[in-house]
Amino acid sequence: AQRVTQPEKLLSVFKGAPVELKCNYSYSGSPELFWYVQYSRQRLQLLLRHISRESIKGFTADLNKGETSFHLKKPFAQEEDSAMYYCALSGSGAGSYQLTFGKGTKLSVIP
Amino acid sequence: DTGVSQDPRHKITKRGQNVTFRCDPISEHNRLYWYRQTLGQGPEFLTYFQNEAQLEKSRLLSDRFSAERPKGSFSTLEIQRTEQGDSAMYLCASSHRGPYEKLFFGSGTQLSVL
Repeated sequence: AQRVTQPEKLLSVFKGAPVELKCNYSYSGSPELFWYVQYSRQRLQLLLRHISRESIKGFTADLNKGETSFHLKKPFAQEEDSAMYYCALSGSGAGSYQLTFGKGTKLSVIP
Repeated sequence: DTGVSQDPRHKITKRGQNVTFRCDPISEHNRLYWYRQTLGQGPEFLTYFQNEAQLEKSRLLSDRFSAERPKGSFSTLEIQRTEQGDSAMYLCASSHRGPYEKLFFGSGTQLSVL
């Protein structure tokens, strides 16, 4: 069974401080990992995915297979980063069309 | 707005009634997904369509739930004999290719079962 754990329900940081949103996963195969974000009154949208090795809005995430983690990081938080962040996993096996989401972490950036 | 649209935005119903939700994906997307989200939880996968074929269904989906995508365009999700535990946000998403591609989500239908 695949599982995603986001240990923090709420994370508050000051503007300009570094941010790290934690994500740990459980999956027996080779997963693909994603971060989705939901800003206030907006739809859930993709922030970044491991397969693309991209950096979006200053955020990066590194897959650590040894620690089964995919933490989201940003060196300097901005007020507009305040949102709900969800880590998600997709299995790599045949027919694995579903994303398994964590419970989410609410990031609050204090001005 | 050319994104994923869902109708209605809100639905209040009495226990035991049937409800149906509609999702219109982005026009060139042949993959469509339904998720359910309750308070304090992340979205939970319900079902997946590739064109008109329903290829995957979660074990969470009881016999009271049925989904269709008759012409490979819009999709409907019906819940029969609603229960209070069905109260949730029902999210639809679509994508152009496979699961590793970006999912585009709709705004959701908030169901309240009284």
